[in-house]
Amino acid sequence: DAKTTQPPSMDCAEGRAANLPCNHSTISGNEYVYWYRQIHSQGPQYIIHGLKNNETNEMASLIITEDRKSSTLILPHATLRDTAVYYCIVTRAGGTSYGKLTFGQGTILTVHP
Amino acid sequence: DAGVIQSPRHEVTEMGQEVTLRCKPISGHDYLFWYRQTMMRGLELLIYFNNNVPIDDSGMPEDRFSAKMPNASFSTLKIQPSEPRDSAVYFCASTLEGRAYGYTFGSGTRLTVV
Repeated sequence: DAKTTQPPSMDCAEGRAANLPCNHSTISGNEYVYWYRQIHSQGPQYIIHGLKNNETNEMASLIITEDRKSSTLILPHATLRDTAVYYCIVTRAGGTSYGKLTFGQGTILTVHP
Repeated sequence: DAGVIQSPRHEVTEMGQEVTLRCKPISGHDYLFWYRQTMMRGLELLIYFNNNVPIDDSGMPEDRFSAKMPNASFSTLKIQPSEPRDSAVYFCASTLEGRAYGYTFGSGTRLTVV
């Protein structure tokens, strides 16, 4: 699976958009970009995933560059409850490697009042 | 849907004792994963199953660790004998191949070996 690079920490004001970047320059054509988050002491929580098109759900938006070498997770109106570690993961979605998520260090997002 | 259920939530045991962690995946899911999380090493995949069959156990640290999935609704992770360095939070997760929204993780078991 491709390796990802994320900033170790970011801050965001409550109510503003949080934009979390992720570099995955070695991504392969059959690899998806997944985002998870982990709020303190809880299990990781799935947020969103995509292959090459931008995606949006009730939690966030995922913007993937045209060359697929980087992506941005957008939380449109961050709240204090969005304070968490955010993980960007690249993985294949089929075959024997299906679902084998490898978590890096992630980005600690702190949302301030 | 009750989610992925892990038990116990907390376990404190003495070095050398056997520890068994339990997981009930979401009904209908065909993949089950065991992860371990420590401050030093982060989240590590230990082993995962597909349709109750172990697919990849390369993350299991040593022979003291074993995992089983006797049926689609139950899995165990056993450590025998336990050591202080096994202290960590152990997470179980499940998913269904082709499912659009990734894994569902349990709340974890915090293991302390003294």
